[in-house]
Amino acid sequence: AIRITQSPSSLSASTGDRVTITCRASQGISSYLAWYQQKPGKAPKLLIYAASTLQSGVPSRFSGSGSGTDFTLTISCLQSEDFATYYCQQYYSYPHTFGQGTKLEIK
Amino acid sequence: EVQLLESGGGLVQPGGSLRLSCAASGFTFSSYAMSWVRQAPGKGLEWVSAISGSGGSTYYADSVKGRFTISRDNSKNTLYLQMNSLRAEDTAVYYCAKYWVPAAMFNAFDIWGQGTMVTVSS
Repeated sequence: AIRITQSPSSLSASTGDRVTITCRASQGISSYLAWYQQKPGKAPKLLIYAASTLQSGVPSRFSGSGSGTDFTLTISCLQSEDFATYYCQQYYSYPHTFGQGTKLEIK
Repeated sequence: EVQLLESGGGLVQPGGSLRLSCAASGFTFSSYAMSWVRQAPGKGLEWVSAISGSGGSTYYADSVKGRFTISRDNSKNTLYLQMNSLRAEDTAVYYCAKYWVPAAMFNAFDIWGQGTMVTVSS
């Protein structure tokens, strides 16, 4: 199974900050990577697929990059509604493993 | 509106069985692969199982292989997860999720249900 290592596990930031979350795959997965946002008590929400394609309706302050084994999610100017937990997921091969999650908290 | 609604969760004793259902609406159900993803209390997301639109292809996480069975009834627009030999570590919120590209099993989940809680405890 492909392992996904996500970092950091938690992150404190302020509104207006730029933050970056990283995922590393244990083997190459081309661009078969998605990013999700989850708020407490809610289902995850798709933000980015194919490593860098923004899902319809997602604000442009979210961006994704990378291919192969190293990927990043960047939020360019944090808004209050962005404080949540973020997960990456590879869908290159089964099982479609998730990263461990990054909890983004208000500083 | 595209919607997924899970049901069937509850409290079950270790070694017991439970069947989860996921009712789909607002899209051509048979055209899309579907999946189950779970989340233990306070923990991260864990992919559990997936099934093709026709039901002919299925995949499982090692942690549930041989105990869980995914299936679907396209005439009823419903996805199922039969869970047998349940263990305490299966305690989680179970989400059903829709793959966003038709007829493809290697893509992201664009629609998620609200989840149903399964608690395995004596």
